[in-house]
Amino acid sequence: GAGVSQSPRYKVAKRGQDVALRCDPISGHVSLFWYQQALGQGPEFLTYFQNEAQLDKSGLPSDRFFAERPEGSVSTLKIQRTQQEDSAVYLCASNLDRDTYYEQYFGPGTRLTVT
Amino acid sequence: KNEVEQSPQNLTAQEGEFITINCSYSVGISALHWLQQHPGGGIVSLFMLSSGKKKHGRLIATINIQEKHSSLHITASHPRDSAVYICAVSGVVGTASKLTFGTGTRLQVTL
Repeated sequence: GAGVSQSPRYKVAKRGQDVALRCDPISGHVSLFWYQQALGQGPEFLTYFQNEAQLDKSGLPSDRFFAERPEGSVSTLKIQRTQQEDSAVYLCASNLDRDTYYEQYFGPGTRLTVT
Repeated sequence: KNEVEQSPQNLTAQEGEFITINCSYSVGISALHWLQQHPGGGIVSLFMLSSGKKKHGRLIATINIQEKHSSLHITASHPRDSAVYICAVSGVVGTASKLTFGTGTRLQVTL
């Protein structure tokens, strides 16, 4: 079956532009996570949804970052007034349930470059 | 100090060699994950374990809960094993199941 998909795969934005990154999780997966991976680093947690509820947004680096999952399936990560330090790969992952014992399935990521 | 630390950061091996990557963590966990990331590619889950040992093909993962340490072994390494291997932990059951990642080990296997 289909895995987690993300779009666009690559995005170049000029500093100050707004961007929207999309994640389509595996159908039926309850939990959805967004991570940010800077070049040469491990991913870092941004935010977590259980169905449509955003239960943890402690990793969002500033109020320029906003995420939503209005119908409990597709999620969008929006970054307003992009800055160069926002350049990174943004990874989406989903898992079957809220239980931590389920493995996470990752999308291919969106590489954002802010110029 | 990072909550999840890996060693080595970089590793070069010749085809056929036995490879070990280590991971230490400092927090309570419900599970530890080993993940593989190819250049420009997404992340694939290799193992999720909370005790003992798991084996899949040429890959073996072990965890010692008391010592808060895990190892990933690759037997008879092959150039196609070249990738970044990332250790990650998921929190204590009952909390959000977000992953905390190590910085990864970049493995290059040469002919």
